[in-house]
Amino acid sequence: DIQMTQSPSSLSASVGDRVTITCRASQSINNYLNWYQQKPEKAPKLLIYAAYNLQSGVPSRFSGSGSGTDFTLTISSLQPEDFATYYCQQSYSTPPTFGQGTKVEIK
Amino acid sequence: EVQLVESGGGLVQPGRSLRLSCAASGFSFDDYAMHWVRQAPGKGLEWVSGISWNSGRMGYAESVKGRFTISRDNAKKSLYLQMNSLRAEDTALYYCAITYYYDSSGYLGYFDYWGQGTLVTVSS
Repeated sequence: DIQMTQSPSSLSASVGDRVTITCRASQSINNYLNWYQQKPEKAPKLLIYAAYNLQSGVPSRFSGSGSGTDFTLTISSLQPEDFATYYCQQSYSTPPTFGQGTKVEIK
Repeated sequence: EVQLVESGGGLVQPGRSLRLSCAASGFSFDDYAMHWVRQAPGKGLEWVSGISWNSGRMGYAESVKGRFTISRDNAKKSLYLQMNSLRAEDTALYYCAITYYYDSSGYLGYFDYWGQGTLVTVSS
């Protein structure tokens, strides 16, 4: 199975900050990397698919980049509604696997 | 509007069985692969199983292979998960999720939408 490792596991940031979350795959996954946002007691929501494609309805302050083994999710200006846990997921090979999550907290 | 509504969760003793259901609406059910993804309390996401649009292909996590069976009924727009020989480590919130763009496996892709989940607790 492909292992996905996110860093950091958690971070504290203020409204307006630029936030970057990293996801690393244990082998090359081309651009088969997806990002989800999960708020407390809610289901995950797709933010970005295939490394950099913004899902419909997702604010443009979210962006994704990377290919191969290293990927990044960036929030250009953190908003109050962005405080949540973020997961990466590879869809290169079965079984699909997730990173352990990055919790973004209010500073 | 896409709606996925899971049901069937509850408290069950180790070794017993449970059947989860996911009722879908608001999209063309036949066009999508379907999945079960679980989340243990306070933990991350774990893919459990996926099924192609026509039930021709299925996949399972190693942790549930041989114990869980995924199925779907396109006429009823429903997805199921039969869980046998349940263990304490199967305790989790089980989400139903859908995939429109899948690869040659018939089900692998990203998860476009998720239900709200149904809680399964395995305990004596």
